[in-house]
Amino acid sequence: QSVLTQSPSASGTPGQRITISCSGSSSNIGSNYVYWYQQLPGAAPKLLIYWTDQRPSGVPDRFSGSKSGTSASLTISGLRSEDEADYYCAAWNDGLSAVFGGGTRLTVL
Amino acid sequence: QVQLQQWGAGLLKPSETLSLTCAVYVGSFSGYSWSWIRQSPGKGLEWIGEISHSGDTKYNPSLKSRLTMSVDTSKNQFSLKLSSVTAADTAVYYCARAYCGGGCYSLFLDLWGKGTTVTVSP
Repeated sequence: QSVLTQSPSASGTPGQRITISCSGSSSNIGSNYVYWYQQLPGAAPKLLIYWTDQRPSGVPDRFSGSKSGTSASLTISGLRSEDEADYYCAAWNDGLSAVFGGGTRLTVL
Repeated sequence: QVQLQQWGAGLLKPSETLSLTCAVYVGSFSGYSWSWIRQSPGKGLEWIGEISHSGDTKYNPSLKSRLTMSVDTSKNQFSLKLSSVTAADTAVYYCARAYCGGGCYSLFLDLWGKGTTVTVSP
């Protein structure tokens, strides 16, 4: 069981806005940056959001990240078919280790 | 274009040592930290650990007793050894680059290798 909790699945239709949540604790999300990764089938993960709400160059502004207390969110606006992938949150767990969420599989209907 | 190319044995027997190497092509080796992450079949990601270009390491406590990471700056390569493997270590292993700027950020993994599938089977 992951230290960071994500819903196993999410779905939406093209053009829709969806939010993927990641729940942690004061030891991880509550006190550290949150990162989000996108993993397309058969590929290595790709950094989508760093430092909680920053996008690497090349990542569309349809993707945004935020945090409130011990929970973080990834929002995808204007959902597209190519967004169908697994999404993972991650954060440093104080004094211990970096930890990932269990992942959310996004289906675009 | 900066790339990470990784290699190592893909099939191991229980109790053997997993050994993987990742090479950095085109780009700086110093100024970053170098990481390993694994993904068990059908499962999520697990951070294994990281090593700086100067050899400082951070390990996942759950693997620390079996883990050794090393770096060869002359070849721009870094390596992972995991001893006494079991079936639970079967996974795709990724090497990745962690950004350092005013400190290194272990999860700011902006460049990844393609992954190496490692299977542990009798």
